[in-house]
Amino acid sequence: QVQLVQSGAEVKKPGASVKVSCKASGYTFTNYLIHWVRQAPGQRLEWMGWVNTGNGNTKYSQKFQGRVTNTRDTSASTAYMELSSLRSEDTAIYYCARLYYFDSSGTFDSWGQGTLVTVSS
Amino acid sequence: DIQMTQSPSTLSASVGDRVTITCRASQSISSWLAWYQQKPGKAPHLLIYKASSLQSGVPSRFSGSGSGTEFTLTISSLQPDDFATYYCQQYNSYWTFGQGTKVEIK
Repeated sequence: QVQLVQSGAEVKKPGASVKVSCKASGYTFTNYLIHWVRQAPGQRLEWMGWVNTGNGNTKYSQKFQGRVTNTRDTSASTAYMELSSLRSEDTAIYYCARLYYFDSSGTFDSWGQGTLVTVSS
Repeated sequence: DIQMTQSPSTLSASVGDRVTITCRASQSISSWLAWYQQKPGKAPHLLIYKASSLQSGVPSRFSGSGSGTEFTLTISSLQPDDFATYYCQQYNSYWTFGQGTKVEIK
């Protein structure tokens, strides 16, 4: 079965960077885009960007452009999201999700379990 | 950006009730709308895609309808496992979510 397993919780100081991993299993990793979505306390889910696991291309939300970097390691079937210049407002649960095309457009059929990133001095 | 607005924000209901949640988009999104269920401490779980298509394995008491800017999620007979928060999400232009509707026990 499709599984996305993320790395563990992180505590970072303001200004630091964090890198979260998402290991995929149960399907051909390079056939599906991996997206990143975050959920700050009491806030709605927020899309951050994606990585094309086949060719490495990326696309980011304007809100995070310049601060986020999505990468992948096909040999490890793992995607990564790195967020830099952290501030307290970045405290959130970060999810990876697989994009599935049910039709000509796609949405998220499988999600990782989430990684809590806490930014605190 | 396309904004998604759900109503109500909180809904109190009893087991067996018929429950309806509404989602409005700030502009037309055709039928590119999904519904997710999220329980505390868990990731969202896809229920409905393309406004009305039931994801594999999801109970048939869940249904979705609508197109353009107005959509609804209906639970025909609320079960104990259904008390959770529900999010709509548009995927017509990038991906944006509603603020969520918490379904709680009356």
